This record gives sequence, C-alpha cells and structure tokens, in this order.
Amino acid sequence: AQTVTQSQPEMSVQEAETVTLSCTYDTSESNYYLFWYKQPPSRQMILVIRQEAYKQQNATENRFSVNFQKAAKSFSLKISDSQLGDTAMYFCAFMKPFLIQGAQKLVFGQGTRLTINP
Amino acid sequence: DSGVTQTPKHLITATGQRVTLRCSPRSGDLSVYWYQQSLDQGLQFLIQYYNGEERAKGNILERFSAQQFPDLHSELNLSSLELGDSALYFCASSVSGPNEKLFFGSGTQLSVL
Repeated sequence: AQTVTQSQPEMSVQEAETVTLSCTYDTSESNYYLFWYKQPPSRQMILVIRQEAYKQQNATENRFSVNFQKAAKSFSLKISDSQLGDTAMYFCAFMKPFLIQGAQKLVFGQGTRLTINP
Repeated sequence: DSGVTQTPKHLITATGQRVTLRCSPRSGDLSVYWYQQSLDQGLQFLIQYYNGEERAKGNILERFSAQQFPDLHSELNLSSLELGDSALYFCASSVSGPNEKLFFGSGTQLSVL
C-alpha cells in the first residue's frame, strides 16, 4: 500500500518570502501521479499542481513549483513570492494511473498548515 | 468553481438517522470518488465508481453505501448515524487518461447530534 508523509505539521512565513513544503511517499510502482492540493479556510479542496512520475521535468504553475526526486521518493512544493491568500492547509497526494490494476484513489498525507503573515 | 456539485452543503441530523449526500461530477468525468475528512482521521478514501460500476473501496463502514447512476451522478447513503460520523464529506470526479486529476466539490458538512 502507498503511504504519503508530510513531516511539517505547521509552517509560517512572511508575505513575499519563499517557502518549501516537504512530502515523501512510499510505493513500489514506477508509474504514478503526485499532487499538491490546497485547502483554505473555506475548506474547498483546490488542485495546486500535478506531477507525472515518468516525466523528469519538474512541474510549475505560476508561483508554485515542485522538486520531484523519484529515487528518493520526495516531492516538495515551493511557493515563491508568497501571498496572504496562500494561507491554507496543503496536502500532498499520490495516485496510480487508472489503467494500472488495483485501487485507484488519491492517498493523502496528513497536511501542512501554512500561514502567510503580513 | 471545480465543476463538481455537492448537495446539501450542510446537514444536521440526530443519531440513528439516515441521510443521503448527492454529487454531480464534472461534465465528461466518468469516475466519482467519495472522501471523508474528520479532524482526527484526515482525508479518508471511502469509495470510487467508474461509469456506474464500483471500482475501489476504502475505509467505508457497512452502514454506508453508495451508487452511481446512469447519468453519472452519485449518492452516498449514511445510515444508523453515530456522533463519530460527523465530518466533511467530499465528492471528487476525474477523467481517465493522460491528464488524470481529481477535482473536488465543496463538500457536505454533516453534523450528527
């Protein structure tokens, strides 16, 4: 079974700073997807970024980028020029592709609560 | 707006009762997932349907059941409710293929009193 671990329960940075959230995972699969989801105080789950394991290039979405280290099973999220609206719980998640046998679901880490201070 | 619609947004009921949560996936998405988010258990996968068929089952209690209808909307039925069932219940949908990703609805907050 796959597991996802986020070792930082809480983080806090000043507005405009850069912050990196850590995530490690455990799997025996070679092909899979990794995600970061954001859950602001509204409790809506919002997809931030997606990475495909067979792609060596790190995904980027505007101020959000990842550092994907497949051999180390590490998937960190970097937020540049942080904004007050980035304050949220951030979840790292793992998923096997649909065509692979077995349960196809998102496995979530426990989350990191990020606070951006003015 | 993710395109996934969940109703109702809030539900308050008593122990022992039965409730139904409804989810309409994004247009074109064949997979529907149900997740439970509670303070002490985090985000727990309950069940997945694909094009009307159950595809994967997670930590779903026997008191809970779900189905996906021909129009692809899904319902999660919770019966014999207990205080511990109070949680935020999410529905998510996805399209299978090279661009697989889950989009979540805004959730149904269930309070069992």
